[in-house]
Amino acid sequence: DTEVTQTPKHLVMGMTNKKSLKCEQHMGHRAMYWYKQKAKKPPELMFVYSYEKLSINESVPSRFSPECPNSSLLNLHLHALQPEDSALYLCASSQTPGQGGNREKLFFGSGTQLSVL
Amino acid sequence: DAKTTQPTSMDCAEGRAANLPCNHSTISGNEYVYWYRQIHSQGPQYIIHGLKNNETNEMASLIITEDRKSSTLILPHATLRDTAVYYCIVRVMNSGYSTLTFGKGTMLLVSP
Repeated sequence: DTEVTQTPKHLVMGMTNKKSLKCEQHMGHRAMYWYKQKAKKPPELMFVYSYEKLSINESVPSRFSPECPNSSLLNLHLHALQPEDSALYLCASSQTPGQGGNREKLFFGSGTQLSVL
Repeated sequence: DAKTTQPTSMDCAEGRAANLPCNHSTISGNEYVYWYRQIHSQGPQYIIHGLKNNETNEMASLIITEDRKSSTLILPHATLRDTAVYYCIVRVMNSGYSTLTFGKGTMLLVSP
């Protein structure tokens, strides 16, 4: 199984809503990532979890709250988002971060397309 | 900021080889070069990676110059399904952490 599964595929939410994005992998990877991608732009790194601990937060606003309940799951909790937060949210995993080579090869999910109204 | 520079777009005829260049002149000696591609509205897909030697797999070949300051991804027989944005990635040091940062990529259009 070399899949990273993201749910939901599409999400529409109002600015006062609370929602969560979910990401799951069963490859035994110990690094998991959230990226944000605006239309016609490259993916931008948001968070990195290494061995279930948050190791990198790229100065992401607190209305985005990541959570890694176990080594297979990664959540992104959303609260009080703005319309400019509308984007494709991508989850990825790798064997381990910072090791290079095969161990840092990223496997991406197909993303959640988020629209904030 | 990404440590790589790539042409914004390239065209290729179906069945011909597509050669996508990437400059990474500040790469460190132990940093790998990774190539990914993203077909419209999908997640990025890993293609290949390398350190010093040329690499080949079922998808593509990667040619890295001896000084490691640039590389070329080669799709030997491009098909219409290879139309995508191709990203060349190396690690970027940022506030004491190093991360895999995407640059702007090259939009490859394969035409019949």
